[in-house]
Amino acid sequence: GENVEQHPSTLSVQEGDSAVIKCTYSDSASNYFPWYKQELGKRPQLIIDIRSNVGEKKDQRIAVTLNKTAKHFSLHITETQPEDSAVYFCAASKGGSYIPTFGRGTSLIVHP
Amino acid sequence: NAGVTQTPKFRILKIGQSMTLQCTQDMNHNYMYWYRQDPGMGLKLIYYSVGAGITDKGEVPNGYNVSRSTTEDFPLRLELAAPSQTSVYFCASTGTGSTGELFFGEGSRLTVL
Repeated sequence: GENVEQHPSTLSVQEGDSAVIKCTYSDSASNYFPWYKQELGKRPQLIIDIRSNVGEKKDQRIAVTLNKTAKHFSLHITETQPEDSAVYFCAASKGGSYIPTFGRGTSLIVHP
Repeated sequence: NAGVTQTPKFRILKIGQSMTLQCTQDMNHNYMYWYRQDPGMGLKLIYYSVGAGITDKGEVPNGYNVSRSTTEDFPLRLELAAPSQTSVYFCASTGTGSTGELFFGEGSRLTVL
């Protein structure tokens, strides 16, 4: 089955810095890569996703890049703010399966 | 739309007791899932369902059972609770033909003592 590795497990940055979280996947048939944000005590919520026919996608301060050849994808957050502090999960799934495999999560801490 | 609703939000069980976590969604989604979340371990899939009457095991199904008699409801049954089942449980759903985004409930924190 699919295996998703996520790094780092913890990331501490100063407000205004950029943050990058990286994930690798094992199944070359995977073609949908969402990112979820989970604030403390809350439910995970989708913040951005990318499909395998696209190399990069941006939404304001967040962007996701995908390298299909290397089987890795990354989340980039620019100009970080304290409200970006949360756990971020990457995931991968195959088209039509709707059964994502999640990474272990990255705890992002943004210091004011 | 209420989205995905889980009950209870908190529960303490004694070893050997049984209970059911309830999950209902009002988005007419055919896919429903149960995940457990342990610190530093991400989201582990317990069971999922692709439609009423159809369920299948995920990564960590031992000690749990599910049923899907309607599109809306997907209860998770814990039989003979063990301390290893202490966790936060999330129900989620999505629909075929959607983007694939999972919609999560608020979670149920279960402690087994």
